[in-house]
Amino acid sequence: KNQVEQSPQSLIILEGKNCTLQCNYTVSPFSNLRWYKQDTGRGPVSLTIMTFSENTKSNGRYTATLDADTKQSSLHITASQLSDSASYICVVRGYSSASKIIFGSGTRLSIRP
Amino acid sequence: GAGVSQSPRYKVAKRGQDVALRCDPISGHVSLFWYQQALGQGPEFLTYFQNEAQLDKSGLPSDRFFAERPEGSVSTLKIQRTQQEDSAVYLCASSLLPGSRKDSPLHFGNGTRLTVT
Repeated sequence: KNQVEQSPQSLIILEGKNCTLQCNYTVSPFSNLRWYKQDTGRGPVSLTIMTFSENTKSNGRYTATLDADTKQSSLHITASQLSDSASYICVVRGYSSASKIIFGSGTRLSIRP
Repeated sequence: GAGVSQSPRYKVAKRGQDVALRCDPISGHVSLFWYQQALGQGPEFLTYFQNEAQLDKSGLPSDRFFAERPEGSVSTLKIQRTQQEDSAVYLCASSLLPGSRKDSPLHFGNGTRLTVT
């Protein structure tokens, strides 16, 4: 079983609408969780980082939440734009190993005009 | 400054050929990671370097895969006797700090898309 599960697998919304992407993880012990945006044909780019003690963090129109008790995170995108069309990947970093970085399979978001 | 640079951008290899993929990390970055990304999936860990030392190679799928970073900067991922299942995007990422500093973000290159025919 993948230690980082994302839902939905894909999502289509109209430009200007809001959406929320979900991430559940089982990685333990836990160090931090990042959301990355990956445009087609490009490498992932970090949007937000959250540690165990943080509940919410915003980066412009992106707001990430974290519930470390239930091991769930969400990424909320407000007033979507066409340029938001991309894959959004949840990435959890383990505490015990320098290289234990677990990637989810991503949510493929498409914004329609 | 320049980001992480990978070359070639695309590589087509016939089954059985050897390939070499290059990664130029951001200058001064201590950590370097290689990932394999299949279509529609998240990146899967292959190997990790701290400077020139390969500290973790547990993700390399077989002994046909070999990575090096001899001077602690440029890294090469070599795949010998390529197979069709090796077809994927190979991503390189670097990080300023050692992997023990887990708040240090990964900076990714745009990847090399390998197609084995």
